[in-house]
Amino acid sequence: EPEVTQTPSHQVTQMGQEVILRCVPISNHLYFYWYRQILGQKVEFLVSFYNNEISEKSEIFDDQFSVERPDGSNFTLKIRSTKLEDSAMYFCASSPRPANRAYEQYFGPGTRLTVT
Amino acid sequence: GQQVMQIPQYQHVQEGEDFTTYCNSSTTLSNIQWYKQRPGGHPVFLIQLVKSGEVKKQKRLTFQFGEAKKNSSLHITATQTTDVGTYFCAAANAGGTSYGKLTFGQGTILTVHP
Repeated sequence: EPEVTQTPSHQVTQMGQEVILRCVPISNHLYFYWYRQILGQKVEFLVSFYNNEISEKSEIFDDQFSVERPDGSNFTLKIRSTKLEDSAMYFCASSPRPANRAYEQYFGPGTRLTVT
Repeated sequence: GQQVMQIPQYQHVQEGEDFTTYCNSSTTLSNIQWYKQRPGGHPVFLIQLVKSGEVKKQKRLTFQFGEAKKNSSLHITATQTTDVGTYFCAAANAGGTSYGKLTFGQGTILTVHP
């Protein structure tokens, strides 16, 4: 069964450093998402991406964050200058259609980001 | 922004007891989805409800969507230790401009004592 993959599984970085989290969505999906989950808390939407552009973003997704689909298969989340509060599990998800058209999202295993 | 409230936050049950988690939205939803997250894992889709008043069953799990499409519940009959995890509802807003953002509830952490 096709699945979303994410690398690395765990990233440790120092405050102020840039990180890039990578995702390979399911190949025939058109809608891509990043969510984050701070330990013990709920899953929070960061950004959605469709047709090579951001379609929606949350207030968490400020100028320090960016997303890219550089080569038609990878989908990346970049944090330019990490802060301690960016420590969280970051999930990538993909979907053949948007959720409000009643399509499920397939989540990757996540990247645990630890900012020290 | 949209709020999705989910209760209870924790539920501890003895194996064989029933379990229910409830989800309420401040706005009308186009659909509601339920996900399960095992400890250390990622959210895994369980089901989606689309129609007002819809009820769906998956073996011991029963999912309901309210008539006003603002609330939902998940009920597990006769829990087993394999049911352990966090159950999240996730709401997709009605309206044509959204590209599928899911707003998650806080989740209910279920522990099952054998």
